[in-house]
Amino acid sequence: DGGITQSPKYLFRKEGQNVTLSCEQNLNHDAMYWYRQDPGQGLRLIYYSQIVNDFQKGDIAEGYSVSREKKESFPLTVTSAQKNPTAFYLCASSASGGAYEQYFGPGTRLTVT
Amino acid sequence: DAKTTQPPSMDCAEGRAANLPCNHSTISGNEYVYWYRQIHSQGPQYIIHGLKNNETNEMASLIITEDRKSSTLILPHATLRDTAVYYCIVSSTHPGTASKLTFGTGTRLQVTL
Repeated sequence: DGGITQSPKYLFRKEGQNVTLSCEQNLNHDAMYWYRQDPGQGLRLIYYSQIVNDFQKGDIAEGYSVSREKKESFPLTVTSAQKNPTAFYLCASSASGGAYEQYFGPGTRLTVT
Repeated sequence: DAKTTQPPSMDCAEGRAANLPCNHSTISGNEYVYWYRQIHSQGPQYIIHGLKNNETNEMASLIITEDRKSSTLILPHATLRDTAVYYCIVSSTHPGTASKLTFGTGTRLQVTL
């Protein structure tokens, strides 16, 4: 089955801890994205990567970090510097260089207390 | 990227056509109109996109006005499973780059018996 997997589905952490969210795709897509969604709101772009070993900040990158060492993987670390980390995190991928649709994973719901 | 305006909510009877409007009066020549939907607590699902011509696929039809300042997504025979938040997004593409999407709050479509 081709698609995007995110793990875990639910994640609980104590304040002050860094946490890494996993995102893997087997669609052979060059581009990958991380979004954050708060209740009743649309998605906001955190980071995106157009190709391996390259990534760019999105609209709300502060307090987050990413890496793109492999084409199929784009992990997101929520650091202790992120003031309001509790949210629904969504990963997506797409082909690049044209008007291509993004395919989304099922999301990870992070709760920090 | 241009902003979009959508009604916050709409109702539709099952079996009838659902027509979801979107205004994008500041759209520029190289920007596409995309539609995604998000069923509660899941990742968004791509529906359709277009530049200036009307488009149809197995899920829906997209009607774009001649001046491109507005569009309508049509679900021809709505079912209960079409109940979701529908996002209209305008985005440009450039060769070799990722397509960044800016999500608003969308239209919550409720399909009823």
